[in-house]
Amino acid sequence: AQKITQTQPGMFVQEKEAVTLDCTYDTSDPSYGLFWYKQPSSGEMIFLIYQGSYDQQNATEGRYSLNFQKARKSANLVISASQLGDSAMYFCAMGTGRRALTFGSGTRLQVQP
Amino acid sequence: DSGVTQTPKHLITATGQRVTLRCSPRSGDLSVYWYQQSLDQGLQFLIQYYNGEERAKGNILERFSAQQFPDLHSELNLSSLELGDSALYFCASSPPGFRETEAFFGQGTRLTVV
Repeated sequence: AQKITQTQPGMFVQEKEAVTLDCTYDTSDPSYGLFWYKQPSSGEMIFLIYQGSYDQQNATEGRYSLNFQKARKSANLVISASQLGDSAMYFCAMGTGRRALTFGSGTRLQVQP
Repeated sequence: DSGVTQTPKHLITATGQRVTLRCSPRSGDLSVYWYQQSLDQGLQFLIQYYNGEERAKGNILERFSAQQFPDLHSELNLSSLELGDSALYFCASSPPGFRETEAFFGQGTRLTVV
């Protein structure tokens, strides 16, 4: 069975600072993908970043980077230079093969001015 | 804009009623997934279709059913609705190929059962 654990229900960060959102996962599949999604208060799910289990380098997308530590089964999201618009729920998810994604419980990030 | 279209965006209905949620996947995507997100919770997988055929089932109630049509759009039917069915329902689609689990989400249908 696959499992995603996000241990931080809520996080605060000052504007312009960096923040790390934690995610650990568990799977017996050797091939898998790890995703981060942002869900603002309006409700839509916005894809942020993807990391494949065989990718040698950590994924980056603009201000988002994924700190992938395979041996520790962690896939933390790092947001650099936080902006007020980053305030939202953030979900870590994992997918294997053609199966649906398994989501964590989410972390609510609040960026303070 | 993810390219996945869900209608309607909002739906208010009474207990015991039946509703149909519609999803049009991105052009070229063969897989369609349905998820349910209850208040302040993560997304729970309901059901997956691939090129018209049911591929996998998650925590889908027997009162719920879905189908994917030849043009690849999908419908999720919810019947005998209960207050607890109030939630945000997402459809996602993913392309064939290497990153097959990459999912692009629609904006969701917010269902309120009163």
